[in-house]
Amino acid sequence: KAGVTQTPRYLIKTRGQQVTLSCSPISGHRSVSWYQQTPGQGLQFLFEYFSETQRNKGNFPGRFSGRQFSNSRSEMNVSTLELGDSALYLCASSLAEGTQYFGPGTRLTVL
Amino acid sequence: QQPVQSPQAVILREGEDAVINCSSSKALYSVHWYRQKHGEAPVFLMILLKGGEQKGHDKISASFNEKKQQSSLYLTASQLSYSGTYFCGTEWKGAQKLVFGQGTRLTINP
Repeated sequence: KAGVTQTPRYLIKTRGQQVTLSCSPISGHRSVSWYQQTPGQGLQFLFEYFSETQRNKGNFPGRFSGRQFSNSRSEMNVSTLELGDSALYLCASSLAEGTQYFGPGTRLTVL
Repeated sequence: QQPVQSPQAVILREGEDAVINCSSSKALYSVHWYRQKHGEAPVFLMILLKGGEQKGHDKISASFNEKKQQSSLYLTASQLSYSGTYFCGTEWKGAQKLVFGQGTRLTINP
Protein backbone atom coordinates (compact mmCIF):
# COMPACT_ATOMS: atom_id res chain seq x y z
CA LYS A 1 0.00 0.00 0.00
CA ALA A 2 1.29 3.44 -0.86
CA GLY A 3 1.85 5.72 2.10
CA VAL A 4 0.63 9.23 2.72
CA THR A 5 1.93 11.66 0.13
CA GLN A 6 2.24 15.41 0.45
CA THR A 7 2.97 18.00 -2.19
CA PRO A 8 4.94 20.08 -2.55
CA ARG A 9 7.76 18.95 -0.29
CA TYR A 10 9.34 22.38 -0.06
CA LEU A 11 7.89 25.83 -0.53
CA ILE A 12 9.23 29.34 -0.19
CA LYS A 13 6.80 32.23 0.00
CA THR A 14 6.90 35.86 1.07
CA ARG A 15 4.84 37.57 3.74
CA GLY A 16 1.30 38.35 2.68
CA GLN A 17 1.08 35.61 0.09
CA GLN A 18 -1.14 32.58 0.40
CA VAL A 19 -0.28 28.92 0.02
CA THR A 20 -2.08 25.65 -0.61
CA LEU A 21 -0.69 22.33 0.52
CA SER A 22 -1.97 18.96 -0.60
CA CYS A 23 -2.23 15.59 1.11
CA SER A 24 -3.21 12.23 -0.35
CA PRO A 25 -4.06 9.70 2.36
CA ILE A 26 -3.46 5.98 2.35
CA SER A 27 -6.02 4.25 0.16
CA GLY A 28 -9.14 3.50 2.18
CA HIS A 29 -8.38 6.03 4.92
CA ARG A 30 -11.12 8.57 5.34
CA SER A 31 -9.66 10.73 8.09
CA VAL A 32 -6.98 13.30 7.42
CA SER A 33 -5.41 15.43 10.14
CA TRP A 34 -3.05 18.34 9.71
CA TYR A 35 -0.28 19.38 12.09
CA GLN A 36 2.18 22.22 12.27
CA GLN A 37 5.62 21.32 13.57
CA THR A 38 8.10 23.92 14.76
CA PRO A 39 11.19 23.51 16.94
CA GLY A 40 9.69 25.56 19.73
CA GLN A 41 6.09 24.35 19.73
CA GLY A 42 6.39 20.73 18.70
CA LEU A 43 3.45 19.10 16.91
CA GLN A 44 0.42 21.35 16.98
CA PHE A 45 -2.95 20.08 15.77
CA LEU A 46 -4.55 22.20 13.07
CA PHE A 47 -7.70 20.34 12.04
CA GLU A 48 -9.09 16.98 11.05
CA TYR A 49 -11.40 16.04 8.23
CA PHE A 50 -13.49 12.95 7.94
CA SER A 51 -15.72 12.22 4.96
CA GLU A 52 -15.37 15.78 3.66
CA THR A 53 -16.41 17.32 6.99
CA GLN A 54 -14.22 19.12 9.45
CA ARG A 55 -14.54 17.05 12.59
CA ASN A 56 -12.04 18.80 14.84
CA LYS A 57 -10.18 22.06 14.90
CA GLY A 58 -7.15 23.25 16.83
CA ASN A 59 -6.38 26.72 18.12
CA PHE A 60 -5.15 28.39 14.99
CA PRO A 61 -6.36 31.66 13.44
CA GLY A 62 -8.87 31.70 10.62
CA ARG A 63 -6.06 32.25 8.11
CA PHE A 64 -5.59 28.49 8.30
CA SER A 65 -8.29 26.55 6.52
CA GLY A 66 -8.71 23.21 4.89
CA ARG A 67 -10.99 20.98 2.98
CA GLN A 68 -11.37 17.38 1.99
CA PHE A 69 -12.56 16.00 -1.30
CA SER A 70 -14.75 13.00 -2.01
CA ASN A 71 -11.66 10.87 -2.72
CA SER A 72 -10.37 11.76 0.79
CA ARG A 73 -7.56 13.92 -0.55
CA SER A 74 -7.18 17.03 1.54
CA GLU A 75 -5.84 20.51 1.04
CA MET A 76 -4.73 23.07 3.56
CA ASN A 77 -4.65 26.77 2.80
CA VAL A 78 -2.87 29.53 4.65
CA SER A 79 -3.70 33.08 3.66
CA THR A 80 -1.79 36.27 4.40
CA LEU A 81 1.36 34.43 5.37
CA GLU A 82 3.39 35.61 8.34
CA LEU A 83 7.01 34.87 9.21
CA GLY A 84 5.82 32.72 12.11
CA ASP A 85 4.04 30.39 9.72
CA SER A 86 7.38 28.94 8.67
CA ALA A 87 7.18 25.32 9.73
CA LEU A 88 6.93 21.73 8.68
CA TYR A 89 3.30 20.91 7.89
CA LEU A 90 2.44 17.28 8.35
CA CYS A 91 -0.68 15.46 7.42
CA ALA A 92 -1.68 12.11 8.82
CA SER A 93 -4.34 9.69 7.71
CA SER A 94 -6.28 7.05 9.55
CA LEU A 95 -9.25 4.79 8.91
CA ALA A 96 -11.67 6.60 11.20
CA GLU A 97 -9.86 7.06 14.47
CA GLY A 98 -6.87 5.48 16.12
CA THR A 99 -3.48 4.99 14.57
CA GLN A 100 -2.36 7.86 12.39
CA TYR A 101 0.12 7.48 9.58
CA PHE A 102 2.13 10.56 8.74
CA GLY A 103 3.25 11.87 5.40
CA PRO A 104 6.75 13.28 4.82
CA GLY A 105 5.56 16.84 5.31
CA THR A 106 5.80 20.11 3.44
CA ARG A 107 8.53 22.46 4.59
CA LEU A 108 7.19 26.01 4.28
CA THR A 109 9.55 28.95 4.55
CA VAL A 110 8.11 32.44 4.71
CA LEU A 111 10.51 35.29 3.89
CA GLN B 1 -3.90 20.74 27.40
CA GLN B 2 -0.72 19.37 25.97
CA PRO B 3 0.62 16.25 27.73
CA VAL B 4 3.96 16.67 29.45
CA GLN B 5 6.85 14.46 28.45
CA SER B 6 9.91 13.83 30.55
CA PRO B 7 12.77 13.97 30.20
CA GLN B 8 13.08 16.51 27.39
CA ALA B 9 16.32 14.95 26.23
CA VAL B 10 18.45 11.97 27.12
CA ILE B 11 21.83 10.75 25.93
CA LEU B 12 22.73 7.10 26.27
CA ARG B 13 25.38 4.70 25.21
CA GLU B 14 24.44 1.76 23.05
CA GLY B 15 23.06 -1.04 25.20
CA GLU B 16 21.71 1.18 27.98
CA ASP B 17 18.04 1.46 28.92
CA ALA B 18 15.76 4.49 28.76
CA VAL B 19 12.33 5.41 30.07
CA ILE B 20 10.24 8.23 28.64
CA ASN B 21 7.16 9.41 30.49
CA CYS B 22 4.02 11.08 29.22
CA SER B 23 1.60 12.66 31.70
CA SER B 24 -1.81 14.12 31.13
CA SER B 25 -3.93 16.37 33.31
CA LYS B 26 -7.09 14.94 31.75
CA ALA B 27 -8.49 11.42 31.78
CA LEU B 28 -6.97 9.52 28.90
CA TYR B 29 -8.71 7.24 26.46
CA SER B 30 -5.60 6.20 24.58
CA VAL B 31 -1.94 6.99 24.22
CA HIS B 32 -0.02 6.73 20.95
CA TRP B 33 3.75 6.65 20.70
CA TYR B 34 5.70 7.85 17.69
CA ARG B 35 9.35 8.20 16.81
CA GLN B 36 10.65 10.84 14.45
CA LYS B 37 14.13 10.82 13.00
CA HIS B 38 15.66 14.05 11.83
CA GLY B 39 14.18 15.18 8.54
CA GLU B 40 11.63 12.38 8.46
CA ALA B 41 7.96 11.96 9.31
CA PRO B 42 6.88 10.57 12.69
CA VAL B 43 6.54 6.80 12.60
CA PHE B 44 3.91 4.98 14.65
CA LEU B 45 5.30 2.69 17.36
CA MET B 46 2.33 1.53 19.37
CA ILE B 47 -1.03 2.45 20.82
CA LEU B 48 -2.24 1.80 24.34
CA LEU B 49 -5.89 1.89 25.21
CA LYS B 50 -7.48 2.68 28.53
CA GLY B 51 -7.22 -0.36 30.72
CA GLY B 52 -3.65 -0.32 31.96
CA GLU B 53 -2.32 -2.64 29.33
CA GLN B 54 1.29 -3.02 28.41
CA LYS B 55 2.50 -3.53 24.90
CA GLY B 56 5.79 -4.06 23.23
CA HIS B 57 7.69 -5.29 20.27
CA ASP B 58 11.35 -6.09 20.04
CA LYS B 59 12.98 -4.19 22.90
CA ILE B 60 10.53 -1.30 23.01
CA SER B 61 7.52 -1.55 25.28
CA ALA B 62 5.06 0.80 26.92
CA SER B 63 2.62 0.86 29.77
CA PHE B 64 -0.47 2.89 30.56
CA ASN B 65 -1.28 3.76 34.15
CA GLU B 66 -4.90 4.85 34.18
CA LYS B 67 -4.86 6.04 37.78
CA LYS B 68 -1.92 8.34 37.20
CA GLN B 69 -3.02 9.27 33.67
CA GLN B 70 0.46 8.47 32.59
CA SER B 71 2.16 6.34 29.99
CA SER B 72 5.77 5.25 29.95
CA LEU B 73 7.85 4.07 27.03
CA TYR B 74 10.65 1.64 27.82
CA LEU B 75 13.63 1.11 25.53
CA THR B 76 15.88 -1.68 26.69
CA ALA B 77 19.38 -2.44 25.44
CA SER B 78 19.14 0.59 23.16
CA GLN B 79 20.49 0.44 19.65
CA LEU B 80 21.88 3.24 17.51
CA SER B 81 18.73 3.05 15.40
CA TYR B 82 16.63 4.10 18.39
CA SER B 83 17.95 7.65 18.15
CA GLY B 84 15.30 10.23 17.37
CA THR B 85 12.59 12.28 18.98
CA TYR B 86 9.81 10.38 20.69
CA PHE B 87 6.34 11.86 20.88
CA CYS B 88 3.35 10.69 22.84
CA GLY B 89 -0.04 11.55 21.44
CA THR B 90 -2.91 11.52 23.87
CA GLU B 91 -6.56 11.09 23.11
CA TRP B 92 -9.35 11.95 25.49
CA LYS B 93 -12.69 10.19 25.33
CA GLY B 94 -14.84 11.67 22.62
CA ALA B 95 -12.16 14.06 21.47
CA GLN B 96 -11.33 12.18 18.26
CA LYS B 97 -8.03 13.96 17.96
CA LEU B 98 -4.50 13.49 19.19
CA VAL B 99 -2.69 16.09 21.23
CA PHE B 100 1.06 15.56 21.20
CA GLY B 101 3.62 16.16 23.88
CA GLN B 102 6.60 18.36 23.17
CA GLY B 103 8.81 15.37 22.42
CA THR B 104 11.81 13.68 24.02
CA ARG B 105 15.05 13.72 22.08
CA LEU B 106 16.93 10.46 22.49
CA THR B 107 20.56 10.23 21.39
CA ILE B 108 22.31 6.88 21.37
CA ASN B 109 26.08 6.98 21.14
CA PRO B 110 28.30 4.01 20.27
